[in-house]
Amino acid sequence: NAGVMQNPRHLVRRRGQEARLRCSPMKGHSHVYWYRQLPEEGLKFMVYLQKENIIDESGMPKERFSAEFPKEGPSILRIQQVVRGDSAAYFCASSPETGETQYFGPGTRLLVL
Amino acid sequence: AQTVTQSQPEMSVQEAETVTLSCTYDTSESDYYLFWYKQPPSRQMILVIRQEAYKQQNATENRFSVNFQKAAKSFSLKISDSQLGDAAMYFCAYNWIQGAQKLVFGQGTRLTINP
Repeated sequence: NAGVMQNPRHLVRRRGQEARLRCSPMKGHSHVYWYRQLPEEGLKFMVYLQKENIIDESGMPKERFSAEFPKEGPSILRIQQVVRGDSAAYFCASSPETGETQYFGPGTRLLVL
Repeated sequence: AQTVTQSQPEMSVQEAETVTLSCTYDTSESDYYLFWYKQPPSRQMILVIRQEAYKQQNATENRFSVNFQKAAKSFSLKISDSQLGDAAMYFCAYNWIQGAQKLVFGQGTRLTINP
């Protein structure tokens, strides 16, 4: 049973470009969560999605960040016009049901030059 | 708002000995989960152990066990017979069952194993 898949594992962008991060949940999981980890810090919640629905986006910055989880395909975290402060590790997690244990992917390390 | 506090930024232990990592949390809810996740140098987040707040019995997974004190809002992790592969950042996390599904993480404790 494959775990949570994230790609790319590393992403380098210049300021002003767009970053697209992908997450495929574990088989049978319909709940996806995105977290951000700044250097030397714990993970901070960004957004919680179910298929075609954003359930909780209370941790998402108001501008430039968006997320989706379409009926078919992976969940996408999109960052427009990236700035250096967006450099971080972005983790995706999935769970089979709400409130269940979340299993994490390997993360995407975003570096903005 | 729920918060999780790990007061030990760094800990070290001799190989084969026992170490305890501390975690306290603040919540007004009664139904929740608590977790310990491990983040080795690969930076993958690995679930170590989970505790349901309604269970009085402390969770155990092989060499890992917790001391859950609900009234004190304390959730420490004990690692017995420490191994070199246990070296990692350890994060304590909280999840409210009935409400927001986000995990709230502590700042982490970096554990070093001395051979």
